[in-house]
Amino acid sequence: ILNVEQSPQSLHVQEGDSTNFTCSFPSSNFYALHWYRWETAKSPEALFVMTLNGDEKKKGRISATLNTKEGYSYLYIKGSQPEDSATYLCASRDAGNMLTFGGGTRLMVKP
Amino acid sequence: NAGVTQTPKFQVLKTGQSMTLQCAQDMNHNSMYWYRQDPGMGLRLIYYSASEGTTDKGEVPNGYNVSRLNKREFSLRLESAAPSQTSVYFCASSEPLVTDTGELFFGEGSRLTVL
Repeated sequence: ILNVEQSPQSLHVQEGDSTNFTCSFPSSNFYALHWYRWETAKSPEALFVMTLNGDEKKKGRISATLNTKEGYSYLYIKGSQPEDSATYLCASRDAGNMLTFGGGTRLMVKP
Repeated sequence: NAGVTQTPKFQVLKTGQSMTLQCAQDMNHNSMYWYRQDPGMGLRLIYYSASEGTTDKGEVPNGYNVSRLNKREFSLRLESAAPSQTSVYFCASSEPLVTDTGELFFGEGSRLTVL
């Protein structure tokens, strides 16, 4: 079982602030890193799937980077908006196709 | 386009009762999963089915059984419910990473309370 950790557990920012949070995962047997956005009372939705060391992906104001050698990924949100408030989950997939989730970072953006 | 559909959305059971959570997907995905979500613990894999006809244990399989009825449907059964199984259960499906991104598509969740 992989040990996937996310930090911080929760984060309060003001509207307009840029923010980032971290996902760490075991680098051995790594296959892919997923980021999901999970709004309250809804289902998690995929943001990014990254596989290669140095990968960077961007969707609007949200971007993510991947370092498979040291086992971490960063998620960045530029100019946070209240609608960005959600829990952000990362998950690491191993070569056996098992996907293990971290505990999530809960982001709250104050207007 | 329904995606992944779970039923029921809410259920209250007494200790020792049994029930089955149903999940169906209409995206023709090969892989299906059952996760449970508990506060502060993220999503933990209960069972998964890499393809029709196969099932495998995940991180927390004790107290559960699954059936991959066909390519569309994957059910989760609690034979004798315990208070520790109070949780929100999510079904998900995906294509394998070798042929696709492998991203999971989730159902809306089933909130189960065991008294």
